[in-house]
Amino acid sequence: TQLLEQSPQFLSIQEGENLTVYCNSSSVFSSLQWYRQEPGEGPVLLVTVVTGGEVKKLKRLTFQFGDARKDSSLHITAAQPGDTGLYLCAGEGAGGGADGLTFGKGTHLIIQP
Amino acid sequence: DVKVTQSSRYLVKRTGEKVFLECVQDMDHENMFWYRQDPGLGLRLIYFSYDVKMKEKGDIPEGYSVSREKKERFSLILESASTNQTSMYLCASTAQGTGAQETQYFGPGTRLLVL
Repeated sequence: TQLLEQSPQFLSIQEGENLTVYCNSSSVFSSLQWYRQEPGEGPVLLVTVVTGGEVKKLKRLTFQFGDARKDSSLHITAAQPGDTGLYLCAGEGAGGGADGLTFGKGTHLIIQP
Repeated sequence: DVKVTQSSRYLVKRTGEKVFLECVQDMDHENMFWYRQDPGLGLRLIYFSYDVKMKEKGDIPEGYSVSREKKERFSLILESASTNQTSMYLCASTAQGTGAQETQYFGPGTRLLVL
């Protein structure tokens, strides 16, 4: 069974600060996805990283896939209250997306005004 | 826009009742999934289906069954609900891709309380 460890589990910071969320595994993934989930809603995809070492930017969010495709990070610059939510990383194994993703337990992020 | 809908946002059932959770997607996706989400445990895959009438067990299938009679609809069935099945249930779908990178589109979830 492939496992994804996310850290930190909870993070509460002030508006304007920077933060990094980590997603680590001992397994290699074909791709890794980051989702954001708001209370009472399903997760929504933010980004997919596929190539080892890949970096993708989405406005103030920077996503990186580790060289060995075992880990990933999400860095938020100048966090805003609208960034508050549950951030989930999910890995796709060798079997492809047809047999589901392995999810981390999530990082609860609160940005205080 | 892809839309995945779930029949109920909130559901309260009694122990022993048979419970049906319905999920419908409108994008002609081949693959559909049922997850449950619990605090401290994250999302765990219950069952998935990659075609009509096909089903595969996920990581935690015990106590659940599924039905996929039509491509757009994937039902999760709790044959005899128990209190430990109180959870948030999320349905998702993806197109059949050639490999990686298929986005999972999630429904809004059904919060089930079993008394």
